[in-house]
Amino acid sequence: IAGITQAPTSQILAAGRRMTLRCTQDMRHNAMYWYRQDLGLGLRLIHYSNTAGTTGKGEVPDGYSVSRANTDDFPLTLASAVPSQTSVYFCASGFPAGGPQFFGPGTRLTVL
Amino acid sequence: ELKVEQNPLFLSMQEGKNYTIYCNYSTTSDRLYWYRQDPGKSLESLFVLLSNGAVKQEGRLMASLDTKARLSTLHITAAVHDLSATYFCAVDPLIQGAQKLVFGQGTRLTINP
Repeated sequence: IAGITQAPTSQILAAGRRMTLRCTQDMRHNAMYWYRQDLGLGLRLIHYSNTAGTTGKGEVPDGYSVSRANTDDFPLTLASAVPSQTSVYFCASGFPAGGPQFFGPGTRLTVL
Repeated sequence: ELKVEQNPLFLSMQEGKNYTIYCNYSTTSDRLYWYRQDPGKSLESLFVLLSNGAVKQEGRLMASLDTKARLSTLHITAAVHDLSATYFCAVDPLIQGAQKLVFGQGTRLTINP
């Protein structure tokens, strides 16, 4: 692994289904982040984690949950997907004290 | 609540010309980041600006930060086609213990031969 990986690359999901997007980093960054990207809105922070065992809410957390069991992994779960969650999801990592965040390749999710 | 606005949102320009993208933000911060995104791809870090008056240059791109005006600029000199991409600024609202970046809407730059 080099950098940040995300899985799946893309997914089509029926409304009401549960879905977990996976994110793994090997850069030993303390902090990890989940964003969604929608046309015309830039990127919006969903949830973040400053260190293993802690998580926090971002700007648009409703309908999403996260966990951070270890430094490397930061899965994002949609408990019951809705069409408004159709988006491109990016995972990122960095250091909470500052500096650039490094982004994964993204997951394109379509909820029908 | 921090708001970050970029302008223009769309920019079409000729090769060889100069232009500037503006990033305005609404609350105090001295940490601002510029990213580039190619179509269908991820975001790539371009510049990290961490103080008032900071200026960074890489090739034909130069970024600056004026924290008093709450303004950052990304200047393109003698544009070439390879610079076609969407550019985002992101501001750190300096919430203690967390880097909760707020992104601008992005500026889609198209450079024509």
